[in-house]
Amino acid sequence: DAGVTQSPTHLIKTRGQQVTLRCSPKSGHDTVSWYQQALGQGPQFIFQYYEEEERQRGNFPDRFSGHQFPNYSSELNVNALLLGDSALYLCASSWLQVTDNEQFFGPGTRLTVL
Amino acid sequence: DAKTTQPTSMDCAEGRAANLPCNHSTISGNEYVYWYRQIHSQGPQYIIHGLKNNETNEMASLIITEDRKSSTLILPHATLRDTAVYYCIVRVDGGKLIFGQGTELSVKP
Repeated sequence: DAGVTQSPTHLIKTRGQQVTLRCSPKSGHDTVSWYQQALGQGPQFIFQYYEEEERQRGNFPDRFSGHQFPNYSSELNVNALLLGDSALYLCASSWLQVTDNEQFFGPGTRLTVL
Repeated sequence: DAKTTQPTSMDCAEGRAANLPCNHSTISGNEYVYWYRQIHSQGPQYIIHGLKNNETNEMASLIITEDRKSSTLILPHATLRDTAVYYCIVRVDGGKLIFGQGTELSVKP
């Protein structure tokens, strides 16, 4: 059973560009959450998707947007990249219908903005 | 969302029990205590969670005080591979995880 997968592993962009990161959830999971982890910090919640809609959102600007597809996979889009967007982007999946569900994390995508 | 307080770092001798404390004095009645760990540059790994009762699994034990204002994660026989940052998180069902700075555990031979 494949766990959570993310692509690409690493990415280098320049300021002002746009980026799309992808996530495939663990088999059987229907909910995808995205987190940003700056160097030396704990992960920060960006948003969560369930049934193709944004269910919760953290304190991130509108430059950060997402999408969930019918097969539960998800994309994170960041527009107008800033140097401060350089971070490890983590995707986590879970099954919302389970009362006390754990989130399973992928290995992350390391984004560097130059 | 309730916040947690953890020591910044701890050391533990290999083979000994590692006891990682967490304070969550503002926890609400419907919030669970979750523990995750993160080995350098990898995604966080789920360890254990609980609501009121103590919990044990193959990785660790979770001891929650009766007033639920604090908890302790116990790794019974720490190995070098347990060196990681450990995060204590309180969370409502299905909701977002709010990570703090965590405790950097160093297991030494």
